[in-house]
Amino acid sequence: ETGVTQSPTHLIKTRGQQVTLRCSSQSGHNTVSWYQQALGQGPQFIFQYYREEENGRGNFPPRFSGLQFPNYSSELNVNALELDDSALYLCASSVGTGGRETQYFGPGTRLLVL
Amino acid sequence: QKEVEQNSGPLSVPEGAIASLNCTYSDRGSQSFFWYRQYSGKSPELIMFIYSNGDKEDGRFTAQLNKASQYVSLLIRDSQPSDSATYLCAVIDSGGYQKVTFGTGTKLQVIP
Repeated sequence: ETGVTQSPTHLIKTRGQQVTLRCSSQSGHNTVSWYQQALGQGPQFIFQYYREEENGRGNFPPRFSGLQFPNYSSELNVNALELDDSALYLCASSVGTGGRETQYFGPGTRLLVL
Repeated sequence: QKEVEQNSGPLSVPEGAIASLNCTYSDRGSQSFFWYRQYSGKSPELIMFIYSNGDKEDGRFTAQLNKASQYVSLLIRDSQPSDSATYLCAVIDSGGYQKVTFGTGTKLQVIP
């Protein structure tokens, strides 16, 4: 157990809808990163939040947005869902942003877009 | 585009043998390297991390790093059927924040 939790575990949405995924980091971990993992692929970096500010972003469109809260929880919001958004969404928490910190993953949320 | 390359496999080894998993990366400035194990339907689980050239051993696992060749590997000694999983190589980019680039993973099958 990594101490990182995510909700919900599974979700089914239809194209065009909006979804909010939630993550609760380990206590004291002030950095959270979100990843999208399509079937058969490695996780792809969406963005990272450090002390409630976006700290970096991968090649994802603006309809992917996030929030980080002072209580070590965070959200990933996806608007205007597309079929290709179907994937496992992972959050990972760590301490700091210095470049050597180990990231600990939550169990993931599996999203299916119909 | 910074890349991490892995052979997708499957890599099949008999129980008790050594499994060797390899990874190359394109970002010459990367300093931190990780191996994660991912069982089907589960999230990645950290196995090893390595920062310095050379070998790092932890139980049955040995990570090897060669920054000049931009190559990192994972050896699993005395492979067990429970080691059957996908192994993800991950590299922290040199871009100033903690962006991690993952390879597509190598599927390992340990045959009893």
